[in-house]
Amino acid sequence: EVQLVESGGGLVQPGGSLRLSCAASGFTFSSYAMSWVRQAPGKGLEWVSGIRGSEGSTYYADSVKGRFTISRDNSKNTLYLQMNSLRAEDTAVYYCAKHNWGSPGYMDVWGKGTTVTVSS
Amino acid sequence: DIVMTQSPDSLAVSLGERATINCKSSQSVLYSSNNKNYLGWYQQKPGQPPKLLIYWASTRESGVPDRFSGSGSGTDFTLTISSLQAEDVAVYYCQQYYSTPPHSFGQGTKLEIK
Repeated sequence: EVQLVESGGGLVQPGGSLRLSCAASGFTFSSYAMSWVRQAPGKGLEWVSGIRGSEGSTYYADSVKGRFTISRDNSKNTLYLQMNSLRAEDTAVYYCAKHNWGSPGYMDVWGKGTTVTVSS
Repeated sequence: DIVMTQSPDSLAVSLGERATINCKSSQSVLYSSNNKNYLGWYQQKPGQPPKLLIYWASTRESGVPDRFSGSGSGTDFTLTISSLQAEDVAVYYCQQYYSTPPHSFGQGTKLEIK
């Protein structure tokens, strides 16, 4: 069964850092692009960042560029999102999602999400 | 960047009736070399992650009931639920995945039972 399990969320103060992880199973992780998508409380979906499969090119939304870093460890089947200089507006549920091929496209599998709260 | 705009923001439909949600992109998401529209539809029920319903604008994901259908091309797209069931209450999002990210979502359409 294809599965994505996020972890690492929590409460952090403004200006702080957090690293999210997404453990993947049930598919050849290195062959697929992956993304992080977030959803602020009561709001819609916002694509945050993506990374290609084996080649590893990365992409970011303007709202997080320069503060967030996406990476992957294909040997551990794990996706990461390092979040620095966090702001109140980064408060959201963060979902990990698998794309349908090695480049970002539509997202066919989603994790259940991990909650990040930025507050003093 | 491509902006996706959905209409309406919310919709109330009677059980068994047709529900129609529209999505408009600020530029064409039709890739001429393969004649594919880089547009997907997702369903999100309360407290759950999004679920892929439709990709390439009109291809149903495996396991999705055939009452769900997608249509349109270029900049204008539609998600249709032919006969609304109680379990279809959700928020629906379109997303473009044309070219290099960011791959923007529409603002969402909340579907309720009338």
